[in-house]
Amino acid sequence: DTAVSQTPKYLVTQMGNDKSIKCEQNLGHDTMYWYKQDSKKFLKIMFSYNNKELIINETVPNRFSPKSPDKAHLNLHINSLELGDSAVYFCASSQDRGLSAGGYTFGSGTRLTVV
Amino acid sequence: AQSVTQLGSHVSVSEGALVLLRCNYSSSVPPYLFWYVQYPNQGLQLLLKYTTGATLVKGINGFEAEFKKSETSFHLTKPSAHMSDAAEYFCAVSSSTGGGNKLTFGTGTQLKVEL
Repeated sequence: DTAVSQTPKYLVTQMGNDKSIKCEQNLGHDTMYWYKQDSKKFLKIMFSYNNKELIINETVPNRFSPKSPDKAHLNLHINSLELGDSAVYFCASSQDRGLSAGGYTFGSGTRLTVV
Repeated sequence: AQSVTQLGSHVSVSEGALVLLRCNYSSSVPPYLFWYVQYPNQGLQLLLKYTTGATLVKGINGFEAEFKKSETSFHLTKPSAHMSDAAEYFCAVSSSTGGGNKLTFGTGTQLKVEL
């Protein structure tokens, strides 16, 4: 049973399209995150939710809209996709939102390619 | 703002040799530090973390790291490298932002293990 599962694993789409990535965790964690890994493997936080509440939004273009229907799910919807959105998107979860919660559990990633 | 610097984007060692991956941090408060490993086409896996207490931290797969406040370092070591250790390694520091915490990652070190 995968702890943090993301779908799809690969996503190839054309510029201008709208796409969604889904994430689910079965760990009972309270906090979930989206991180973006660029082509140079640099990882940066995008969003964080705690019990369905948005708590971190790191200056991400508003074409990116996260949604958390419950604390086990965090989805990412991207409008009007651009070439620069091509990256690997990782979902992660943690038990709480404190500093020591950095022991995240990561999903296996969604590789998004915009052509 | 917290940050981490990983010296050496590529490190190559022989099987059985000592592994040393360097990480230096910058933090205005006592840091919470982490090492993650990423195998090809996979998510990140937590190797070990330092929050408080003992400065020598042992992790999975025989890795350990020592927190040295005077040197602002958190280097990762393993006495004897195995072929299976070949992967990308990320050092990270946790910080508070908004209502939660986030991990700020270094740029990663690709470890190659040769016969």
